[in-house]
Amino acid sequence: GAVVSQHPSRVICKSGTSVKIECRSLDFQATTMFWYRQFPKQSLMLMATSNEGSKATYEQGVEKDKFLINHASLTLSTLTVTSAHPEDSSFYICSARASETQYFGPGTRLLVL
Amino acid sequence: QKEVEQNSGPLSVPEGAIASLNCTYSDRGSQSFFWYRQYSGKSPELIMFIYSNGDKEDGRFTAQLNKASQYVSLLIRDSQPSDSATYLCAVKRSFGNEKLTFGTGTRLTIIP
Repeated sequence: GAVVSQHPSRVICKSGTSVKIECRSLDFQATTMFWYRQFPKQSLMLMATSNEGSKATYEQGVEKDKFLINHASLTLSTLTVTSAHPEDSSFYICSARASETQYFGPGTRLLVL
Repeated sequence: QKEVEQNSGPLSVPEGAIASLNCTYSDRGSQSFFWYRQYSGKSPELIMFIYSNGDKEDGRFTAQLNKASQYVSLLIRDSQPSDSATYLCAVKRSFGNEKLTFGTGTRLTIIP
């Protein structure tokens, strides 16, 4: 149980384009999902908390207009990186809360050229 | 002082030995504690969680929590090469929707 999927697993895009990443809880409903970013050899950095049916809560320093989060259903949250730039290249990982535990998706590796 | 501190390692342990991973946290109001394993290039996977003082065992893994000392550890018995990974300690302040605060992780290498 508690399986979380992400799509796509890997994406390459041109600078200035937007990229949407989907996070799904497959066998449970998640009112809360989290979006993290991880640069090489660094720890996880929480970007935002996504709550179903309400606005996401962003961490300090994360631009909400650049990283759009939509949690439209109890099993789906999306992260859209708008006007992506090479410095946005990173490993984006979502997690979903089941009971008191967070389960992580497999991650999306984004490369912006 | 960091909220959650871990020795970054690398920690090298011979195959078959016990690996001991340690984590300290600064917020005395923390209620729940998690250990995740992250292989290189992969996302974290949950190993164990612990809420109460004392030991909690699951197979080869034992989590130990001492709230008075603000200390949580993970023991891996009979270490295997497949246990080589980065181990992340995470702390949550309260029950509910509260976010996790992660340590920077300890890189563990099991030497065959």
